[in-house]
Amino acid sequence: DIVMTQSPDSLAVSLGERATINCKSSQSVLSSSNNKNYLAWYQQKPGQPPKLLIYWASTRESGVPDRFSGSGSGTDFTLTISSLQAEDVAVYYCEQYYTTLGRTFGQGTKVEIK
Amino acid sequence: QLQLQESGPGLVKPSETLSLTCTVSGGTIITSSHYWGWIRQPPGKGLEWIGSIYYSGNTYYNPSLKSRVAISVETSKNQFSLRLSSVTAADTAVYYCARELWRYYFDLWGQGTLVTVTS
Repeated sequence: DIVMTQSPDSLAVSLGERATINCKSSQSVLSSSNNKNYLAWYQQKPGQPPKLLIYWASTRESGVPDRFSGSGSGTDFTLTISSLQAEDVAVYYCEQYYTTLGRTFGQGTKVEIK
Repeated sequence: QLQLQESGPGLVKPSETLSLTCTVSGGTIITSSHYWGWIRQPPGKGLEWIGSIYYSGNTYYNPSLKSRVAISVETSKNQFSLRLSSVTAADTAVYYCARELWRYYFDLWGQGTLVTVTS
């Protein structure tokens, strides 16, 4: 299995400041056949299901505010919230779908307001 | 717009079989672009993919659960279902159904249903 490790486990950021979440995979999720990174980011607010934010590592899902961005390639990825809003308080998960028989999620990163 | 809704018993006894159904509304389950999946989340913990199915019945499962899982589809009812056998307390979780773009990411989720394994 590909192990996805997120850091930090939690972070507190002031409103309007930048929040950065890292996700590291135990092996590359970059496909040589199509040059795509098989990585997604999800946001889960309390009591709600996860919501897709980013796919292919950097493509924003329709309707997701542009303060959310994804970057990285191979084994190291980052989700950035450029200017944290109160409604962004949530747990964020990365997921690799490179090996679909063993697709795996990171452990989650909790984002709070400082 | 398309919506997914899980249904089934909220309590299951140890060693018995957990059965859940996901009903797709506002659209058809028969789509060439999508698989339909199950994911679970133990209370206070992270997400675990269980398995997924295509409208034709083609399935793929998490190897760690494969021996206990069966996912089926009933296109006439726009539903797909999960059966997890020989459950233990470790199977207590919120179970989500979700739409999967081909065999890639999950782009639409149900609200989830809590299943508790208890005698």
